[in-house]
Amino acid sequence: DAKTTQPPSMDCAEGRAANLPCNHSTISGNEYVYWYRQIHSQGPQYIIHGLKNNETNEMASLIITEDRKSSTLILPHATLRDTAVYYCIVRPMNTGFQKLVFGTGTRLLVSP
Amino acid sequence: SAVISQKPSRDICQRGTSLTIQCQVDSQVTMMFWYRQQPGQSLTLIATANQGSEATYESGFVIDKFPISRPNLTFSTLTVSNMSPEDSSIYLCSVAPSGGLYEQYFGPGTRLTVT
Repeated sequence: DAKTTQPPSMDCAEGRAANLPCNHSTISGNEYVYWYRQIHSQGPQYIIHGLKNNETNEMASLIITEDRKSSTLILPHATLRDTAVYYCIVRPMNTGFQKLVFGTGTRLLVSP
Repeated sequence: SAVISQKPSRDICQRGTSLTIQCQVDSQVTMMFWYRQQPGQSLTLIATANQGSEATYESGFVIDKFPISRPNLTFSTLTVSNMSPEDSSIYLCSVAPSGGLYEQYFGPGTRLTVT
């Protein structure tokens, strides 16, 4: 079962920052937070992941609270092409593969 | 990174028949996975297919219904057997180039409709 809780949908105006929350209150010390997104009619796309420090890449920023029980994915300047379902996933970073378990995600709609 | 292609991109099949979906990766990867996404739903892992070993199926999925082949490090097939309308879904191939430690890459999916 998915170990994260996300709002089912969010709206954002084009050019504004999109802040997508995720609750993972039962996260373990060896589990990372991953974010993927799925644009309509495409396969999921990796965005970013982190353990406890904030992370930033060319796509987004990931802010993880100090207690690690929640996180926020930030798209700093949302565009229409960012309209997608965003999945927050927790997964152990152990040796050997740990499967990705997708929850229901947040459907982000970016409007002009 | 890894670029994944799938064939066919979509198909409409009659119940009782079988369809084989192909997945081709542009680089050698050990770990390959098959997911199902039912209409309006999230993704569910069907099985893990590592080259040189039998596929490992998740709870609720069996080899007789979803046989998988993994003949080499760049290719895999998933067969959906004896199809029923409930098998209408998008089937996605995925790979983990770094042994699953970092990101996974997904193919574009195969949209299957069973009538």
